[in-house]
Amino acid sequence: ETGVTQSPTHLIKTRGQQVTLRCSSQSGHNTVSWYQQALGQGPQFIFQYYREEENGRGNFPPRFSGLQFPNYSSELNVNALELDDSALYLCASTQGRGPRSTDTQYFGPGTRLTVL
Amino acid sequence: DAKTTQPNSMESNEEEPVHLPCNHSTISGTDYIHWYRQLPSQGPEYVIHGLTSNVNNRMASLAIAEDRKSSTLILHRATLRDAAVYYCILRRGPLGTGFQKLVFGTGTRLLVSP
Repeated sequence: ETGVTQSPTHLIKTRGQQVTLRCSSQSGHNTVSWYQQALGQGPQFIFQYYREEENGRGNFPPRFSGLQFPNYSSELNVNALELDDSALYLCASTQGRGPRSTDTQYFGPGTRLTVL
Repeated sequence: DAKTTQPNSMESNEEEPVHLPCNHSTISGTDYIHWYRQLPSQGPEYVIHGLTSNVNNRMASLAIAEDRKSSTLILHRATLRDAAVYYCILRRGPLGTGFQKLVFGTGTRLLVSP
């Protein structure tokens, strides 16, 4: 069983640029969530995708957007980067809904984004 | 979102039991209590969850107070690998409702000494 993978591992961008982060969900999982973790804080929920549709969103501005693909992999896009966007971005997958749904989320190792 | 309160940090010696407390006085009847931990330089990792009854798995035990306003994560014999930040989280709603999000606090940093 392949776990959740994320790419790239680290990324450095400058203010105003755009960035795309990628996530491959665990085999068999149809739901992907994205979290932002600032240094010394717990992860904060950005949004969740279920079967290619946004299924819920946290308190993040529209310049944070996402996609989920038919194979359930996902992208997080952030436009007009700000210094405060520097954080660890975590992707988590789960099997949502249906008889095999589970309450456990499986996290990837994260992408460390630095905005200069 | 329902809130949890945890101590900022705790210390333990290797091979001793560890009891990590969590207060959740505003818990509602359908809130599940989840525990995740985050080892250094890794994403969070599921530990255990429960609703009303005490729960055991290969990693830990979860003791839930009768009024459900508090719970305790029990590591029976701490190892150096258990040094991590432990998050107590309330998840609202039954399984299979589709939308799931985890609302993390700042957690408890567990330090384990040899």
